Amino acid sequence: QVQLQQWGAGLLKPSETLSLKCAVNGGSFSGDYWTWIRQPPGKGLEWIGVIHHSGSTNYNPSLKSRVAISLDASNNQFSLELSSVTAADTAIYYCAKGLYKLLLWGQGTVVTV
Amino acid sequence: QSALTQPASVSGSPGQSITISCTGTSSDVGSYNLVSWFQHHPGKAPKLIIYEVSKRPSGVSDRFSGSKSGDAASLTISGLQADDEADYYCCSYAGPMTLVFGGGTKLTVL
Repeated sequence: QVQLQQWGAGLLKPSETLSLKCAVNGGSFSGDYWTWIRQPPGKGLEWIGVIHHSGSTNYNPSLKSRVAISLDASNNQFSLELSSVTAADTAIYYCAKGLYKLLLWGQGTVVTV
Repeated sequence: QSALTQPASVSGSPGQSITISCTGTSSDVGSYNLVSWFQHHPGKAPKLIIYEVSKRPSGVSDRFSGSKSGDAASLTISGLQADDEADYYCCSYAGPMTLVFGGGTKLTVL
């Protein structure tokens, strides 16, 4: 059974770079899309971006200048980097499998700026 | 890319049915039959309950149903149960490798 396990620094200072990883346990990247989503405190879900196993990416236009999603197929992991963080980037960050059928999610990582 | 519009809150009594609306545009909901709905209990990861407008993943109760007309989609929950109390989010494909979420609706079971 495929599971997503995510981790990364939970406390950042303004202007630092957020870095999170998500490991795909029990499966592989082949043919799939991998997505990052966040939820600021008291607010709704926000789509951050997606990467295909081929390496193609797309990002939320509101974050595009600061975000990068990459994958490490050899370690079955994909990553999120968000630069120049501010308090507005404080949120629970989730990784998920898929492009629009997001059936499998990571446990979430609380990031505080 | 603007968020889809959902009511902030809905409520219903156990056993009743409720419907949550999700309004988008001709660039997202109106263009693709790729609307999803998620149930989100605080402290847990969101759970996919409807995908491709009206399909249910394995294990999801048939009390949950989805539909779409034009630029708007809706989620209906019948036979409300206490455990249905949660936040519900719609989500639509919006073009090449792009998703947009709704603002979320808090369901209260009275």
